[in-house]
Amino acid sequence: DGGITQSPKYLFRKEGQNVTLSCEQNLNHDAMYWYRQDPGQGLRLIYYSQIVNDFQKGDIAEGYSVSREKKESFPLTVTSAQKNPTAFYLCASSVPPDTQYFGPGTRLTVL
Amino acid sequence: KQEVTQIPAALSVPEGENLVLNCSFTDSAIYNLQWFRQDPGKGLTSLLLIQSSQREQTSGRLNASLDKSSGRSTLYIAASQPGDSATYLCARLGAYNTDKLIFGTGTRLQVFP
Repeated sequence: DGGITQSPKYLFRKEGQNVTLSCEQNLNHDAMYWYRQDPGQGLRLIYYSQIVNDFQKGDIAEGYSVSREKKESFPLTVTSAQKNPTAFYLCASSVPPDTQYFGPGTRLTVL
Repeated sequence: KQEVTQIPAALSVPEGENLVLNCSFTDSAIYNLQWFRQDPGKGLTSLLLIQSSQREQTSGRLNASLDKSSGRSTLYIAASQPGDSATYLCARLGAYNTDKLIFGTGTRLQVFP
């Protein structure tokens, strides 16, 4: 059963805490992406990776970090430097330039 | 700056109506134009992808058209149903940078019985 999964579905962060969002795909896609979605603002690209052990900053990378040690996995860490992290986070994968396949999302809330 | 705009932001219609959702983009140098559906609190599902060389794509009751010269794409939904209620997003993949999709802000559609 191929697809892209994200965990957890809901995540709560305290002030000054780092948290990591998981994204896994078994579609054998080379490229993976992280987006942030805020109400009324559409999707904004945080980081993307075209190949294992390589990744690039998107439009809003400040306060976030990623790694791509395996083709199947692209975890996103929201650091304490991200001052407004409350949002819906979406992970996607693709074989560029074909369409991207999205995970179900993680909703992060700052307490 | 590359921008993608969607109008209207929200739409509420009775069941059975034919609908047109609009997407406009400022840079006509595109590789493809994609339409996605998003249900509340969920991820995105790809609906239609139109390559730069194509004028339209159809899937069931959905038809998407592309006019690069005017920087516009439309999504036509025939005979709308309550199950069509969702947010519809268009996204542009640039001809000179196929790394990044640029998304519009979406049209939130509600179809009531």
